[in-house]
Amino acid sequence: EVQLVQSGAEVKKPGESLKISCQASGYTFSRYWIAWVRQRPGKGLEWMAIIYPGDSETRFSPSMQGHVTVSVDKSTATVYLEWSSLQAADSAMYYCARRGGKYELNFDYWGQGSQVIVTA
Amino acid sequence: SYVLTQPPSVSVTPGQTARLTCGGNDIGTRSVHWYQQKPGQAPVLVVQDDNDRPSGIPDRFSGSNSGNTATLTISRVEAGDEADFYCQVYIRSSDLWVFGGGTKLTVL
Repeated sequence: EVQLVQSGAEVKKPGESLKISCQASGYTFSRYWIAWVRQRPGKGLEWMAIIYPGDSETRFSPSMQGHVTVSVDKSTATVYLEWSSLQAADSAMYYCARRGGKYELNFDYWGQGSQVIVTA
Repeated sequence: SYVLTQPPSVSVTPGQTARLTCGGNDIGTRSVHWYQQKPGQAPVLVVQDDNDRPSGIPDRFSGSNSGNTATLTISRVEAGDEADFYCQVYIRSSDLWVFGGGTKLTVL
């Protein structure tokens, strides 16, 4: 059974750093891209970035480029999303999702979400 | 950038058919995918590649896509179908994934 298990909720102050995680199981980790999707409170889904665990190739949404870092640890089948300096606007639910489907054009499995709250 | 437009809300009574639209320039030339998100839960893929249902999704969910509009159709709507629905496409030329703004389906 494919599972994506994300790290728990975080409460941080503006300017602090943060790294959240998404651990995959139930399939060959290195063969499927993993994306990060943001959902601000009461808002819709926004694709942020995607990484290929096989070689760490990464793509970013233009609005996210330079603001977050995505990385992978193949030894633990874990993908990370990291901020060096959080802003209040980063408060959101963050989902990881596996790129899948017949033609790999959608996200077929999702994590449960990681809540990030940034407040002074 | 490519924009997907969804109506903010759609209401339907139980047993009726709900049609949720997703507008985009020449969207009929792209593969459209639909996700259902119930309150407090992660999104779930309900229709992929315009009209294909993943395993475990009831056949009450179907899709179509032509011209500038893609449509998710939910037949025999149930109270448990109440959720936010998002359409999504992949823009190969720029390697981007785009979501629509979402439609809240209310079952009256």
